[in-house]
Amino acid sequence: KQEVTQIPAALSVPEGENLVLNCSFTDSAIYNLQWFRQDPGKGLTSLLLIQSSQREQTSGRLNASLDKSSGRSTLYIAASQPGDSATYLCAVINDYKLSFGAGTTVTVRA
Amino acid sequence: DVKVTQSSRYLVKRTGEKVFLECVQDMDHENMFWYRQDPGLGLRLIYFSYDVKMKEKGDIPEGYSVSREKKERFSLILESASTNQTSMYLCASSGAPQEAQPQHFGDGTRLSIL
Repeated sequence: KQEVTQIPAALSVPEGENLVLNCSFTDSAIYNLQWFRQDPGKGLTSLLLIQSSQREQTSGRLNASLDKSSGRSTLYIAASQPGDSATYLCAVINDYKLSFGAGTTVTVRA
Repeated sequence: DVKVTQSSRYLVKRTGEKVFLECVQDMDHENMFWYRQDPGLGLRLIYFSYDVKMKEKGDIPEGYSVSREKKERFSLILESASTNQTSMYLCASSGAPQEAQPQHFGDGTRLSIL
């Protein structure tokens, strides 16, 4: 069974600092890995999807890397802003199913 | 933009009632999913469907059933609601994973069973 771990569980940084969020998974036979953002009481917003054949994916201030052989992905958020405060979830896709990590809750202090 | 719409944001029901949660997507996606999210337990897959009238059990199907009569609509049914089914329910849809299609989520339904 796929196990997904996110470290740290919570992170608080001053505005402008770069964020580094980690995700690890136990079964490397994945199709894709997807990063999501969740605001309190809301659904999930898709941020980035990395195919298993890719090493990284970028969108604006966000960059996600994937090392499938070691079972790791990292989400980098450059120059953080208070609006980046949210919970970030990674999910790995095996066949049709997503397996989620517990998330990292980020607070960006103004 | 992909739109996944859940029929209710908040719902309050009584123990023993039959509860229907509805989800509609507008992207002609083959795959649709129902999850529940609980503090400390994260997101868990209840059921998914990869085609009309097809369904597969997820990790926690007990106490739930689903219906997919049309491609765009996927319903979650609580046959006899119990207090331990109080939770946030999230619907999602996607294209084929082999085509690197991301999953898109609705805004969620916060269900309280009294």
